[in-house]
Amino acid sequence: EDKVVQSPLSLVVHEGDTVTLNCSYEVTNFRSLLWYKQEKKAPTFLFMLTSSGIEKKSGRLSSILDKKELFSILNITATQTGDSAVYLCAVRRGGSEKLVFGKGTKLTVNP
Amino acid sequence: EPEVTQTPSHQVTQMGQEVILRCVPISNHLYFYWYRQILGQKVEFLVSFYNNEISEKSEIFDDQFSVERPDGSNFTLKIRSTKLEDSAMYFCASAKWSRELNYGYTFGSGTRLTVV
Repeated sequence: EDKVVQSPLSLVVHEGDTVTLNCSYEVTNFRSLLWYKQEKKAPTFLFMLTSSGIEKKSGRLSSILDKKELFSILNITATQTGDSAVYLCAVRRGGSEKLVFGKGTKLTVNP
Repeated sequence: EPEVTQTPSHQVTQMGQEVILRCVPISNHLYFYWYRQILGQKVEFLVSFYNNEISEKSEIFDDQFSVERPDGSNFTLKIRSTKLEDSAMYFCASAKWSRELNYGYTFGSGTRLTVV
């Protein structure tokens, strides 16, 4: 059974801090790993990773995948209160359309 | 930016009643999905739909569930006889083609179903 484990489950930081969120996975025939941000309701897409060692970057957010060690990290630098959300990691296997999600990391950024 | 629209945003129903959750996917998308998230738990896949038929479904998606694309724009999830444990946030998602699956789906804002 495919499995995604995220850590920590929750995190409280101050504005300006840098955070690292972790996602480890076990999946047969790995195809891709995705990161989503979930604020009030709909998960919004952040990154899709398929290859090891290639950093994806968008503003203050970046992510990298290690397919040998089966994990990914999501970094957020210079955090702002608007970064407060649940960050979801999901994996997709080849030949399947479904995403398997982790429980998420709840990030709270205090002013 | 195009959106996936879900209605209603919140529905309360009595146990045993049928409910229909509605979704309007992005207009040029061809792949459609339903997920659910029970409060405090993971987002779980229910079903995927392509070319007017179910392409994949999870073990959660049993005979009480059905999906339909009744016209060119709506995509519905029907729960025939609701149970208390069906209470959850139900998300619809859509994607344009198989390559876009590599870039993530677009999720709707969800319908919170409460079964009493």
